[in-house]
Amino acid sequence: NAGVMQNPRHLVRRRGQEARLRCSPMKGHSHVYWYRQLPEEGLKFMVYLQKENIIDESGMPKERFSAEFPKEGPSILRIQQVVRGDSAAYFCASSPDRAKNTEAFFGQGTRLTVV
Amino acid sequence: GNSVTQMEGPVTLSEEAFLTINCTYTATGYPSLFWYVQYPGEGLQLLLKATKADDKGSNKGFEATYRKETTSFHLEKGSVQVSDSAVYFCALSPIHTGNQFYFGTGTSLTVIP
Repeated sequence: NAGVMQNPRHLVRRRGQEARLRCSPMKGHSHVYWYRQLPEEGLKFMVYLQKENIIDESGMPKERFSAEFPKEGPSILRIQQVVRGDSAAYFCASSPDRAKNTEAFFGQGTRLTVV
Repeated sequence: GNSVTQMEGPVTLSEEAFLTINCTYTATGYPSLFWYVQYPGEGLQLLLKATKADDKGSNKGFEATYRKETTSFHLEKGSVQVSDSAVYFCALSPIHTGNQFYFGTGTSLTVIP
């Protein structure tokens, strides 16, 4: 069973471009979480999704950021018109049925650099 | 609400020293509690967990006990090694569905030979 797969591992974008970060959860997992880690800082929750639904987006910036988890395919975190302050590591995690309170499994992250 | 408060770092220890990283939490009901470890350039890996009061999670010489009375889940290791140098995150998962995982800010540990 492959782990949580994120791609790309590294992404460089110029200011004003769009960044698309992909996350394929572990097989059988229907819950996906996105976190942002700024240099020398902890993890900041961004959004929690189930298939085709956004459950909690309280950590998402109001503008330029969006996330989806379609019925088929990976979850996508999309950042439009990137700025230097978006440079960070973005981690995706997945979990199975939440009612069982299992742990979240993390991907290796996408390191976004905005130049 | 739900939150995790974690001991601030960075922490620097000599090899074979005793390690404690404090973690306290606020939650409704009885959440599950976790410690994750992040090595440089990597994602987070589960280190140990406890799902109910008085449970002790353990792995690789690390231990943490779920203390309901003090709402704590402190991480301990009796003798650290250089290879333990990493960032450690305390986390909780609320009992109710529809909730995210809540993480502490992380504690950076450096073990020197």
